[in-house]
Amino acid sequence: DTAVSQTPKYLVTQMGNDKSIKCEQNLGHDTMYWYKQDSKKFLKIMFSYNNKELIINETVPNRFSPKSPDKAHLNLHINSLELGDSAVYFCASSLWSSGRARSNEQFFGPGTRLTVL
Amino acid sequence: KQEVTQIPAALSVPEGENLVLNCSFTDSAIYNLQWFRQDPGKGLTSLLLIQSSQREQTSGRLNASLDKSSGRSTLYIAASQPGDSATYLCAVKARETSGSRLTFGEGTQLTVNP
Repeated sequence: DTAVSQTPKYLVTQMGNDKSIKCEQNLGHDTMYWYKQDSKKFLKIMFSYNNKELIINETVPNRFSPKSPDKAHLNLHINSLELGDSAVYFCASSLWSSGRARSNEQFFGPGTRLTVL
Repeated sequence: KQEVTQIPAALSVPEGENLVLNCSFTDSAIYNLQWFRQDPGKGLTSLLLIQSSQREQTSGRLNASLDKSSGRSTLYIAASQPGDSATYLCAVKARETSGSRLTFGEGTQLTVNP
């Protein structure tokens, strides 16, 4: 009964290829996120979707395109992969519900380690 | 722009010791603060969440405090165990809107030696 799942866990590919990472949550959350963790282990937000609508779009190359077919899924497609895209990508989700004790707590998936050769 | 700093970057202690991890943030207008644990090659596990109106939260041997006005939070771990070895991340949430981002610190890498 995994809460936030990502596939694949590892992805090794050549420069210039196009690849996708999938994320699914079964927590009934309405908001999903993509974060990137670089080689120095620093985590930074990339995108956020609420009810399938883009809310946050950080300064990310437009080779990265998130897609949310429904509230439980947020996929990340990357075109023309570059060496600098190598990182661990984390999906997360939360429920926006003010007033609750643990509202807005974000739950993270296990990560996808992308290696671009 | 919010910046989050964690000190120390790494900490090594003998088993059984009590320890404190520090987190500071530059913009005190936060909605909440969350402490996470990350094991090598794994995802993030949420440990404690403190709302901006709260001063502390406790879970088992963990106690997190928040002083919003001074932009500081501490994570206190009592009677540390080798299983506590991991990277601990502090993150602040900007405001009460859906989708608002978490800004992370760089983490404290904790090693508890048996």
